[in-house]
Amino acid sequence: QQPVQSPQAVILREGEDAVINCSSSKALYSVHWYRQKHGEAPVFLMILLKGGEQKGHEKISASFNEKKQQSSLYLTASQLSYSGTYFCGTVSSNDYKLSFGAGTTVTVRA
Amino acid sequence: SAVISQKPSRDICQRGTSLTIQCQVDSQVTMMFWYRQQPGQSLTLIATANQGSEATYESGFVIDKFPISRPNLTFSTLTVSNMSPEDSSIYLCSVGGGNSPLHFGNGTRLTVT
Repeated sequence: QQPVQSPQAVILREGEDAVINCSSSKALYSVHWYRQKHGEAPVFLMILLKGGEQKGHEKISASFNEKKQQSSLYLTASQLSYSGTYFCGTVSSNDYKLSFGAGTTVTVRA
Repeated sequence: SAVISQKPSRDICQRGTSLTIQCQVDSQVTMMFWYRQQPGQSLTLIATANQGSEATYESGFVIDKFPISRPNLTFSTLTVSNMSPEDSSIYLCSVGGGNSPLHFGNGTRLTVT
């Protein structure tokens, strides 16, 4: 079952912040975050395992609330290179399969 | 991280024909995954390819339409059979997952006319 991502799209100016949310109706084993630029394959950003951890990648960080089955990706002081479509992927505790959300298109403008 | 070579990178095919996509990994892996990404959409898992056994297909995907081979621990093929315009998508092979990063090949952009 596909996780729910929001918002669908966001437009930022350089230096602004944004939050992308991902929620699942299933008990989660882990949450993945990927970024895909136009015409390219998705690129791994980070994994969060259950335990409520936070992780960071450059000025991009994420949190995972295991009890709420939710994860959030934080884009801080956005750069032009942050533009792309961000996908969360959830791995359920039942079958360990990775299911991707619908994606959030981020556009960062100068 | 694994280096994944996928070919062809793109193809234009006529309806009713078949295309076989190859995926080569630079290290031995137990499972390889085939995804489809329709235009402007998310990634949908087609099947999991295990070496030495039949592939496991997700709901909505069948072996007759998407036969998969996995002859060894570094190679897999996906065939898109009897193609129709609805099969126009990007097909991606990948390795990893679970509590490990999922790494993708560069994808095969298929257009069916």
